Amino acid sequence: DAKTTQPNSMESNEEEPVHLPCNHSTISGTDYIHWYRQLPSQGPEYVIHGLTSNVNNRMASLAIAEDRKSSTLILHRATLRDAAVYYCILRSTGTASKLTFGTGTRLQVTL
Amino acid sequence: GAGVSQSPSNKVTEKGKDVELRCDPISGHTALYWYRQSLGQGLEFLIYFQGNSAPDKSGLPSDRFSAERTGGSVSTLTIQRTQQEDSAVYLCASSQDSTNYGYTFGSGTRLTVV
Repeated sequence: DAKTTQPNSMESNEEEPVHLPCNHSTISGTDYIHWYRQLPSQGPEYVIHGLTSNVNNRMASLAIAEDRKSSTLILHRATLRDAAVYYCILRSTGTASKLTFGTGTRLQVTL
Repeated sequence: GAGVSQSPSNKVTEKGKDVELRCDPISGHTALYWYRQSLGQGLEFLIYFQGNSAPDKSGLPSDRFSAERTGGSVSTLTIQRTQQEDSAVYLCASSQDSTNYGYTFGSGTRLTVV
């Protein structure tokens, strides 16, 4: 599986937008970009995924660069409950594929 | 059920004993995955079931670990002759298929080997 690179940690103030970056320069044409997050003492939670176009859902937005070598997860208004480890993962299609979790970005949200 | 159910939520066992961990996936989900997470560490893939295909066992750390999925639904992860390094949270996830859908994870089983 192609690898992703994320900052180890980020901080945000509550009520402010958060942009979590992910680099995936070796992405292939059939790789989907998935984001998960893991709150303390819980299993990971699906956030969003996309292939080429930007995606929005009730939790977040995903902005994908035109060359697909990077993406950004956008939380529009961070809350204390958004403090978690965020994982950016590439998932290939057309094969029996599993998610390979890296170390992710630990997001701290402060008042 | 509405989510992925795992049991037990906590298990303490003595070194050398066998343990069975159960996962009940979301009804209709054809893919089922097992991961484990040691304290302060990332998620480690163990095994993956997809429909009637042979499971991907590439992540199982030793032959003491095995898993089965009966009737395409419930899965059991078995650890024989447990060791202290097996202590971790064991997480199960399911998805509608293996490509374009997200995983839904259970809350995990916290295994402590003493």
